[in-house]
Amino acid sequence: GENVEQHPSTLSVQEGDSAVIKCTYSDSASNYFPWYKQELGKGPQLIIDIRSNVGEKKDQRIAVTLNKTAKHFSLHITETQPEDSAVYFCAASKGGFKTIFGAGTRLFVKA
Amino acid sequence: DVKVTQSSRYLVKRTGEKVFLECVQDMDHENMFWYRQDPGLGLRLIYFSYDVKMKEKGDIPEGYSVSREKKERFSLILESASTNQTSMYLCASVETQYFGPGTRLLVL
Repeated sequence: GENVEQHPSTLSVQEGDSAVIKCTYSDSASNYFPWYKQELGKGPQLIIDIRSNVGEKKDQRIAVTLNKTAKHFSLHITETQPEDSAVYFCAASKGGFKTIFGAGTRLFVKA
Repeated sequence: DVKVTQSSRYLVKRTGEKVFLECVQDMDHENMFWYRQDPGLGLRLIYFSYDVKMKEKGDIPEGYSVSREKKERFSLILESASTNQTSMYLCASVETQYFGPGTRLLVL
């Protein structure tokens, strides 16, 4: 069936370093790829998304890249700060009401 | 700011009890969703609704039902709670744009 694999499951970086989280998806019809940040005790919050007609999108310290041929997409966080510590989820959707989520990456940013 | 609220942050219920989880959104959104979140499994769709009184099964509907009597309110019902329904339950509106804070349910 359709699935989204996310790696790594845990990531620890020093404050100021970059963090990269990678996802691969199985359904080539997927055309929308959102990323979520979930802080402790809160619901997921959409932080950035990309559609299949775009290869890269950037929003301040966060960027997402998409390689449709290889069916993978990545989240890049530069100049990490302690408040970036959270669980990050990737997801893939082909429209309609079906979104497949990755299992999540727990990011620790050490001060 | 869009707000999605869930009636309880934490719930403890006994096996066999009927459990109601309520979700309310304040932006007149048509689409609302219920997910459960389990470690290592990400979010899995239980049910969704695209209009009042309309509902569709998601990937894991067994053991659950839903109710959408008003546009702003989407309820998840566990007819007879079981221990394997211990989980975090998340409500969302507009597909996955806006999530509520979640309800952590423990079934003993």
